[in-house]
Amino acid sequence: DAEITQSPRHKITETGRQVTLACHQTWNHNNMFWYRQDLGHGLRLIHYSYGVQDTNKGEVSDGYSVSRSNTEDLPLTLESAASSQTSVYFCASSRGHTDTQYFGPGTRLTVL
Amino acid sequence: TQLLEQSPQFLSIQEGENLTVYCNSSSVFSSLQWYRQEPGEGPVLLVTVVTGGEVKKLKRLTFQFGDARKDSSLHITAAQPGDTGLYLCARLRGSQGNLIFGKGTKLSVKP
Repeated sequence: DAEITQSPRHKITETGRQVTLACHQTWNHNNMFWYRQDLGHGLRLIHYSYGVQDTNKGEVSDGYSVSRSNTEDLPLTLESAASSQTSVYFCASSRGHTDTQYFGPGTRLTVL
Repeated sequence: TQLLEQSPQFLSIQEGENLTVYCNSSSVFSSLQWYRQEPGEGPVLLVTVVTGGEVKKLKRLTFQFGDARKDSSLHITAAQPGDTGLYLCARLRGSQGNLIFGKGTKLSVKP
């Protein structure tokens, strides 16, 4: 069955380190998204991609980057982790712009 | 900013009770989605409502889109412990395919 996976599921890192969170989908979806979920803020969009080599900034993109070298993967990189980036991160994918988004299980990141 | 306000933030009820949660905005939106998120998992789409006044039913869940397309409600009849979770409403940001989420209603149904 097609699916969307995220790894690792849990990560603890230190302030200043570079961290990469993986997202892999087997639906062959064009669109992929990264969100973060925090108490009191709900889910907020970090970056998104509409296809290979396409990336766009969301509402909370500072300190994050993504790259899309193939259809299946959209890794999220924190260049220099900060405590404010402690959060639960969700990846999602969809076939088209207004189609259903399917979410991964999330990665809980703690920055000490 | 076209925010989505959800109420109540938290709801704790006994099994068998009925409940309604709300999603409101000051702006008109073309469609609205409702998601349920269980602990340790990602949100899962329950329904999309598109037409003002539209009512959709999913077993014991009834979703309504306001006539003016500025608000929506989710009504659960005879709640069960399996309904426990975070209920999120979301709207599309224009034609870009990005979702704007409300902060959610955290529902706990006790046996």
